Amino acid sequence: EIVLTQSPGTLSLSPGERATLSCRASQTVTSRYLAWYQQRPGQSPRLLIYGASSRATGIPDRFSGSGSGTDFTLTISRLEPEDFAVYYCQQYSSTPRTFGQGTKVEIK
Amino acid sequence: QVLLVESGGGVVQSGTSLRLSCAASGFPFRTYPMHWVRQAPGKGLAWVSAISPDGSNEYYADSVKGRFTISRDNSKNTVYLQMNSLSAEDTAVYYCARQSGALDIWGQGTMVTVSS
Repeated sequence: EIVLTQSPGTLSLSPGERATLSCRASQTVTSRYLAWYQQRPGQSPRLLIYGASSRATGIPDRFSGSGSGTDFTLTISRLEPEDFAVYYCQQYSSTPRTFGQGTKVEIK
Repeated sequence: QVLLVESGGGVVQSGTSLRLSCAASGFPFRTYPMHWVRQAPGKGLAWVSAISPDGSNEYYADSVKGRFTISRDNSKNTVYLQMNSLSAEDTAVYYCARQSGALDIWGQGTMVTVSS
């Protein structure tokens, strides 16, 4: 089983600032099958990034993903008020399709 | 409009069973693998189970293997999760999701509470 470790656990930033979230895998995630999801309070998760760096439909270009192998990053270039939420990475290169424990981006 | 709607959640006693349903609309359901993901109160997301488009292949997390069964009825555009021998650790919101590589469409979730 691939274990995903996200850091930091909580990120305290102000609107307009840049957010950098990390996701590290215990084994190589083949073919860059790594996704990022956003979950706002009381809502279902929403797909942001797939294939490590491709934005899902309707996702603003302030969201970008990068990385390969075991190290992946989600960057939000300038935080908007609606971006304060919890973010999860997930690998889909092998079963079980594991999630990271999440990073909460909160308003400073 | 692409939509997934879960139902069947509720409050049950430990050791009993429950069947969740997820009705799909707005896309060719029979061509997509489907998943169940759960989220315990105040916790993160945990993958539970998946099923291939034709229902011939099923996949489970170790935590539910042997207790939960995923199935689908492509004539009804519905995926199911039969949950047996429930325990307090199964208390969570259960989401169904469509697989298009990653999980690109999610339902609103249905809450399952297992009381001891």
